[in-house]
Amino acid sequence: EIVMTQSPATLSVSPGERATLSCRASQSIGGNLAWYQQKPGQAPRLLIYGASTRATGIPARFSGSGSGTEFTLTISSLQSEDFALYYCQQYNNWPLTFGGGTKVEIK
Amino acid sequence: EVQLVESGGGLVQPGGSLRLSCAASGFTFSSYAMSWVRQAPGKGLEWVSAVSAGGGSTYYADSVKGRVTISRDNSKNTLYLQMNSLRAEDTAVYYCAKSGSGNYPVNWCDPWGQGTLVIVSS
Repeated sequence: EIVMTQSPATLSVSPGERATLSCRASQSIGGNLAWYQQKPGQAPRLLIYGASTRATGIPARFSGSGSGTEFTLTISSLQSEDFALYYCQQYNNWPLTFGGGTKVEIK
Repeated sequence: EVQLVESGGGLVQPGGSLRLSCAASGFTFSSYAMSWVRQAPGKGLEWVSAVSAGGGSTYYADSVKGRVTISRDNSKNTLYLQMNSLRAEDTAVYYCAKSGSGNYPVNWCDPWGQGTLVIVSS
């Protein structure tokens, strides 16, 4: 099983600032990585797939990068609605596995 | 608009059974693999099971293998998860999710349903 490790667990950022979230895979997954956003009481929402392709309707301030074992989600200028939990997920191998999440909170 | 609506959750005693359903609309259900993903209270996401578009191939997490059966009825646009021998650690919100890209179940998930809560407790 591929283990996905996200860091940091919590990220405190002021509105308008940049947020950088990291995700590391225990073995190479190529570009087979997705990012999701989850707000309290809601289902996860797809942000990024293929490591860097934004899903339909996702604002351009969200960007993904990386390949192999190291990946990054960047939110260029945090808006109030961006404070949430973020998960990465690999889909290179069975079973599909998720990272433990990064909580982006208001500083 | 793609919609996934789960139902069937509830309170069940340890060792009991439950069948979850996910009604799909807004897309050609029979063309997409589907997954179940769960989230224990206050915890992260755990993929549970997936099924190919035609239903002929199924996949399970080790944590549920032998206790859970995924199936689908493409004539009813509905996905199912039959859960038996339930344990306290199965307590979670169960989400159904559409495969991001066609029949291939090893994929990203988009979109997700709103989830149905399963509580296993005596």
